[in-house]
Amino acid sequence: SSELTQDPAVSVALGQTVRITCQGDSLRSYYASWYQQKPGQAPVLVIYGYNNRPSGIPDRFSGSSSGNTASLTITGAQAEDEADYYCNSRDSSGNWVFGGGTKLTVL
Amino acid sequence: QLQVQESGPGLVKPSETLSLTCTVSGGSISSSGYYWGWIRQPPGKGLEWIGSIYYSGSTYYNPSLKSRVTISVDTSKNQFSLRLSSVTAADTAVYYCARLREVTGTTRFDPWGRGTLVTVSS
Repeated sequence: SSELTQDPAVSVALGQTVRITCQGDSLRSYYASWYQQKPGQAPVLVIYGYNNRPSGIPDRFSGSSSGNTASLTITGAQAEDEADYYCNSRDSSGNWVFGGGTKLTVL
Repeated sequence: QLQVQESGPGLVKPSETLSLTCTVSGGSISSSGYYWGWIRQPPGKGLEWIGSIYYSGSTYYNPSLKSRVTISVDTSKNQFSLRLSSVTAADTAVYYCARLREVTGTTRFDPWGRGTLVTVSS
C-alpha cells in the first residue's frame, strides 16, 4: 500500500481549472514531485519542489502544498492534459514512494 | 541532453533472475548530487519504486522487494543495473530507469527511459 494517497479519478471541463491532490504524513516535511503519464508512454516530470516546472512544461501546471497535502493544479485544462498523474516523495522511513495515481479526464 | 535507456530480456522464466541495464548518455553517471533509480509498473497499475543507487555504490531498496533486489553501478560504462531474483508472474511489469535528483526537502525523477516490458512466464 502507498503512503501517498491520491483520488483514483478526476474530471474537468475543457478550459476549466482542476486540482489533483496527494496526501501523506511525509509531505509535512517533503515537497512532492508530480508526473504526467499518457497511455503507452513513460512518465514525465511536470512539477517538483516548491512549484518548479521543468523546461517545456506549460505554465498552466502549478504546484502547492499545505500541511500533509500536496496539490497539482491545471489552470485552463486542455485536451492533451488527459492522462494519469502521480505524486512522489519520500516516506517516513526515507524511502521513495509514489502515490496510487489519478486518472484525469478532460470533458 | 541527458538520456537513459533500459535494455535486457523481455521474457524471464518463473523462479529465475530478471536482469536489466540502464545506459546513461549525454552526461556522467558520476555527477555529484544525482542518484539513479529503477521504477516498475505492472500492466494497468501504478508506479512502484524498486530502488536507487548513488555512483559511489550506496543503495536504497523498497522494503517489499529488498530481499530479492540488487542494484549496481558501473561508472566505466556509464551504466547501472537491476537484478531481481526468484521472479513470479507478479513481477511482470514495464521497468523504467531514471535519474534521481535529491536536494534537501525535494526529490525528482527526471529524465525517464522509455521503459521495457518484462514478462515472467514459462
